[in-house]
Amino acid sequence: EDQVTQSPEALRLQEGESSSLNCSYTVSGLRGLFWYRQDPGKGPEFLFTLYSAGEEKEKERLKATLTKKESFLHITAPKPEDSATYLCAVLGSNDYKLSFGAGTTVTVRA
Amino acid sequence: GAGVSQSPSNKVTEKGKDVELRCDPISGHTALYWYRQSLGQGLEFLIYFQGNSAPDKSGLPSDRFSAERTGGSVSTLTIQRTQQEDSAVYLCASSLRTSGGLKVFGAGTRLSVL
Repeated sequence: EDQVTQSPEALRLQEGESSSLNCSYTVSGLRGLFWYRQDPGKGPEFLFTLYSAGEEKEKERLKATLTKKESFLHITAPKPEDSATYLCAVLGSNDYKLSFGAGTTVTVRA
Repeated sequence: GAGVSQSPSNKVTEKGKDVELRCDPISGHTALYWYRQSLGQGLEFLIYFQGNSAPDKSGLPSDRFSAERTGGSVSTLTIQRTQQEDSAVYLCASSLRTSGGLKVFGAGTRLSVL
């Protein structure tokens, strides 16, 4: 069974204080690792898909990286609007079923 | 539509009552998924549809849960004889295709069973 573990559960940052979120996974036949952002009362919003170890993707202050066992979401010089819950999910041999971690809730103070 | 639409956004019900949750996917998306999000837990897969058929119902927690999709579009998730442990946010997503397709999520229905 595919498993995803995210750490830390919560992260409080000062505006401009860079940090990283971790997503550790075990999956049979990785077909993709996904990062989503979820704001309170809303559904997850797609950020990135990574397919193979060594791959990196960037979007504004966010950068996602992938190894064979984990993925990192780096937040560089965060702003209060980056406050959200970040979800990691993997797509394995059941190529329709995303398996999600519990998420990391990021709070950025001005 | 432009996005995945779910209704109602909030539902409060009494234990033992039946509830129906609705999902209207993005037009043209053939695959539709239901997930459940409980407080402090990750999203839990419930069921997915390819067209009107449901090849995988393995995530449905019990036989009180059922889902259908008609016309390859709207889907309803029905929970019979609701229990307090059914309280959660029920999220629907759709994608152009099943395999690896980017899934777009709706805002969810927050269900509270008193």
